[in-house]
Amino acid sequence: TQLLEQSPQFLSIQEGENLTVYCNSSSVFSSLQWYRQEPGEGPVLLVTVVTGGEVKKLKRLTFQFGDARKDSSLHITAAQPGDTGLYLCAGAWSSASKIIFGSGTRLSIRP
Amino acid sequence: DAGVIQSPRHEVTEMGQEVTLRCKPISGHNSLFWYRQTMMRGLELLIYFNNNVPIDDSGMPEDRFSAKMPNASFSTLKIQPSEPRDSAVYFCASSPSSGRAGEQFFGPGTRLTVL
Repeated sequence: TQLLEQSPQFLSIQEGENLTVYCNSSSVFSSLQWYRQEPGEGPVLLVTVVTGGEVKKLKRLTFQFGDARKDSSLHITAAQPGDTGLYLCAGAWSSASKIIFGSGTRLSIRP
Repeated sequence: DAGVIQSPRHEVTEMGQEVTLRCKPISGHNSLFWYRQTMMRGLELLIYFNNNVPIDDSGMPEDRFSAKMPNASFSTLKIQPSEPRDSAVYFCASSPSSGRAGEQFFGPGTRLTVL
């Protein structure tokens, strides 16, 4: 059973288009992270969201934490080939150091 | 500053052989995590250490897997004997005590192939 479900699993779009990736859970998290992983490398942290309803922007990427702190979304505006990669959400509980990773969304941007 | 260092980057071995993966966390980080990534199961936590002490090893698949952290700058993950189903990419990650829960820094991984 996957505690964190991501959708879609795969997404291939044209350069310049917009997209949204979703991360859903039945668990409440104290914080949620988004990571991006490129082939042959480890995941790299993009952002942490902590407060329910919080919105963070990182250039063309917009991250939102759900009001109940159970879900999150990542929106990319005007996607570029450099955005290609595996996007992973991860949920953390304040009582433990470990985190749970989502199933991942593999994003491909066509030039 | 150096990131998390893992060695080897690639390992090809035959079934039944012992495999040892190595990790050097970022200096000053007090938590260390070992993950396994496959297409089928995604990124799974195997074990993590706080201040060199194993805290949660519930993700270790079976007794063939063992991990040690003899000091703050070194950890090993050993598989003995190895099996073809152990083929995966193994990641080590570290995080500082001052950091927010969930913010981890990953190494480049070790791609293990067991024939």
